Amino acid sequence: AQTVTQSQPEMSVQEAETVTLSCTYDTSESDYYLFWYKQPPSRQMILVIRQEAYKQQNATENRFSVNFQKAAKSFSLKISDSQLGDAAMYFCAYRSATGNTDKLIFGTGTRLQVFP
Amino acid sequence: KAGVTQTPRYLIKTRGQQVTLSCSPISGHRSVSWYQQTPGQGLQFLFEYFSETQRNKGNFPGRFSGRQFSNSRSEMNVSTLELGDSALYLCASSLVTGYGYTFGSGTRLTVV
Repeated sequence: AQTVTQSQPEMSVQEAETVTLSCTYDTSESDYYLFWYKQPPSRQMILVIRQEAYKQQNATENRFSVNFQKAAKSFSLKISDSQLGDAAMYFCAYRSATGNTDKLIFGTGTRLQVFP
Repeated sequence: KAGVTQTPRYLIKTRGQQVTLSCSPISGHRSVSWYQQTPGQGLQFLFEYFSETQRNKGNFPGRFSGRQFSNSRSEMNVSTLELGDSALYLCASSLVTGYGYTFGSGTRLTVV
């Protein structure tokens, strides 16, 4: 069975600085998708970025980028120029590309605080 | 474009009662999934529906059930509520497999 591990329960960053959130996963599959979701106090999970395992190139979305190391099974999220609005819970998630399912397996989350 | 709509936002029920939660996906999305979020267990997959068929089910007791209608709206039902069922229940829909879900704001269920 696949598992996702986020070893940092909490992180903090100064506004305008850069922070990296860690995520590792365990799978025997070669094809899968990885996601980072943000959950602010409003509770709604917001997709931040996605990565397809067969793609070598790291995904980037504006200030958000990932460092995807397939051999190491690592998928970290880098937030550049942090803003107060980035404060939230961040969840790393895995989805198998095999089988007929959209099921996501989530990590336990990292609470990010942003200080002015 | 409307997002994923979950109703109600908040719900308080008594142990032993049953509850039905509703989820309206984004128009055109045919895949709907449900997750339970608790401080202790985190985010856990409940079940997934596609074109009115349950495609996958998580490791939850039979008290948890769901269904999807022809317009892709989905409901989940929990019978004989227990205190441990208190949680945030999130619904998500997807248009293209693998692209990622769009989540609703959830239903906060409190069992007393």
